Formats: sequence, structure tokens, C-alpha cells
Amino acid sequence: QKEVEQDPGPLSVPEGAIVSLNCTYSNSAFQYFMWYRQYSRKGPELLMYTYSSGNKEDGRFTAQVDKSSKYISLFIRDSQPSDSATYLCAMGIGGYQKVTFGTGTKLQVIP
Amino acid sequence: GAVVSQHPSWVICKSGTSVKIECRSLDFQATTMFWYRQFPKQSLMLMATSNEGSKATYEQGVEKDKFLINHASLTLSTLTVTSAHPEDSSFYICSAPTSGGKDTQYFGPGTRLTVL
Repeated sequence: QKEVEQDPGPLSVPEGAIVSLNCTYSNSAFQYFMWYRQYSRKGPELLMYTYSSGNKEDGRFTAQVDKSSKYISLFIRDSQPSDSATYLCAMGIGGYQKVTFGTGTKLQVIP
Repeated sequence: GAVVSQHPSWVICKSGTSVKIECRSLDFQATTMFWYRQFPKQSLMLMATSNEGSKATYEQGVEKDKFLINHASLTLSTLTVTSAHPEDSSFYICSAPTSGGKDTQYFGPGTRLTVL
């Protein structure tokens, strides 16, 4: 079993839709959780960072963490064509430790 | 936010040659940097952890003699792919964790290596 599981998609939605992206994990030692957006042929860009269970909102993006279920989500409201990218969940134990990534979900927002 | 740069952004080389990729933290010091490799349609795979002033730590299955890492200063880490072969063609990305109570990593833009 992989430490982090993420559906690779692709996921296609119409412009304006609410997008839900999810990851599950098996390592209960993970303490912090991140979502990255990666455009084709570019490095990942940090979108959201959370350290505890619950919700964190930043503009159109909401990150949700449920440590009891080992499940994290990223919601994108009012999706735009410019949101079309691969979204990677990532999680780590803490400090200067390595981060474990999901495989990424490819999202396409259709105008 | 923190900025990490990489150079070159892309490189094409002949089989058997060596290629050096630089990773710089532009506005913060990074005692640790991470090197990842990403094949098409796959996620990032950690290759090694680069530590300033000491030897790098390699992940299982990564050849340390082939992928030489030097972290000579607090803002620069280099990855040298020695005797490159076509199967080394990939997207190489570095990252650096930041301090200030935020355990996260900032990534460079990546270097696309094509070995002919």
C-alpha cells in the first residue's frame, strides 16, 4: 500500500463548477499537509498548507484535513480555465524532513 | 514568498556526457535542499537530500556515484548527472524547506534533461 493515495484523474469540469480533490494516507505520523499546483513542464507551486484537522480557506481554495480518517481534500470554488493543471497533495512529518507526494490529479476546466 | 531558482531550465546532451544542474535559494538560506525527479505523468520522486557542509543522503535505488550532489553554500546545491544515458531523461526539480514556523517546501521551476 502506498503511503499516499491520490486518484490521477483526469477530471474534467465546466467553468464555474466546484472541484473536489482528495487524498488518503496511511502514515499517522504525518503532521502537516500541503496542496501544490503544477502546470505542464513547470515546478510545483504551493497552494495551501495546513497543520491541523479542520478547514483552511484562501480565496477560492479550501483545504480540509481529517486526521481521524486520514483523508484530506482541496475544494476549488468557481473554477476557471486557468485552474487547469495537475494538483498534488503532499504531507510530511515535520521540520526539515522529506515530503511524500501523491501521484497528482490532472484537472481540466472547460470554458 | 520564498523563491528557489534552477539553472538551466532545459538541457540536451549526448549520451555519456555529464550535466550539472544548479539550485539556488534567492531570498533565504537553506541548509537542506531536496532533489526530485519526475517522469512524464508521474509524481515527484525524491532522489536525495542535500545538506550544506556534509554528504547528501540518497534514497533507496538512487546511485550516489551517478547523481553527485554538492551543497557548498547556504544558497546553492548542485546535482551532476554523470555519464548520462537516455533513461536519465527526466524533469529534475529541487526544493528547499523554509523556517519561520512553517514546515513547507518551495520548489524551483525544474530542469528538463534530454539525453540523446
